[in-house]
Amino acid sequence: AQKVTQAQTEISVVEKEDVTLDCVYETRDTTYYLFWYKQPPSGELVFLIRRNSFDEQNEISGRYSWNFQKSTSSFNFTITASQVVDSAVYFCALSEPLVETNAGKSTFGDGTTLTVKP
Amino acid sequence: DGGITQSPKYLFRKEGQNVTLSCEQNLNHDAMYWYRQDPGQGLRLIYYSQIVNDFQKGDIAEGYSVSREKKESFPLTVTSAQKNPTAFYLCASKMESSYNEQFFGPGTRLTVL
Repeated sequence: AQKVTQAQTEISVVEKEDVTLDCVYETRDTTYYLFWYKQPPSGELVFLIRRNSFDEQNEISGRYSWNFQKSTSSFNFTITASQVVDSAVYFCALSEPLVETNAGKSTFGDGTTLTVKP
Repeated sequence: DGGITQSPKYLFRKEGQNVTLSCEQNLNHDAMYWYRQDPGQGLRLIYYSQIVNDFQKGDIAEGYSVSREKKESFPLTVTSAQKNPTAFYLCASKMESSYNEQFFGPGTRLTVL
């Protein structure tokens, strides 16, 4: 069974600070996909970033960056120079490889609530 | 504009009544999903469907039912058998590939009075 753990329940930072959200996952699959989603107060989840299990290259996209380490089963997400609009709940998700009728379904962590104070 | 619509946004129901939540997408996505979210918790999968006329139970399917008669529609019925139905319900869809991200609707907040 797949499992995603986000140990940080809540994080509070002051604007312009950098913040890293942790994600640890468990899976027996050799092929899998990892995602980060953002849920603002409006409730609708928005996709942020993804990584597949074969690509451990870490990247930066604007103020977002991520650190994928297979050896520790971690997929951490960093926001640089945080802003008040970054305040939201952030979810890490692990997707199964698509087989038969499983629809490539995902397992979500419990989320980390980020509050950025002005 | 392409996207997912869910209606209604807020729904109140009396205990013992069945209620149906609507989910429509015009993204031409094959797979669709229903999640339940309780305060301070993550998303739990209720049902999912990869193709029309086929759907599978997720982790918490008891007390719920779905149908997938059309590619763009995946309604969820919360039956009276669901013991604690008050929650936030999210519908999602994605193209048929594990690599693709899910697109989410705005959600329906169901309150049982």
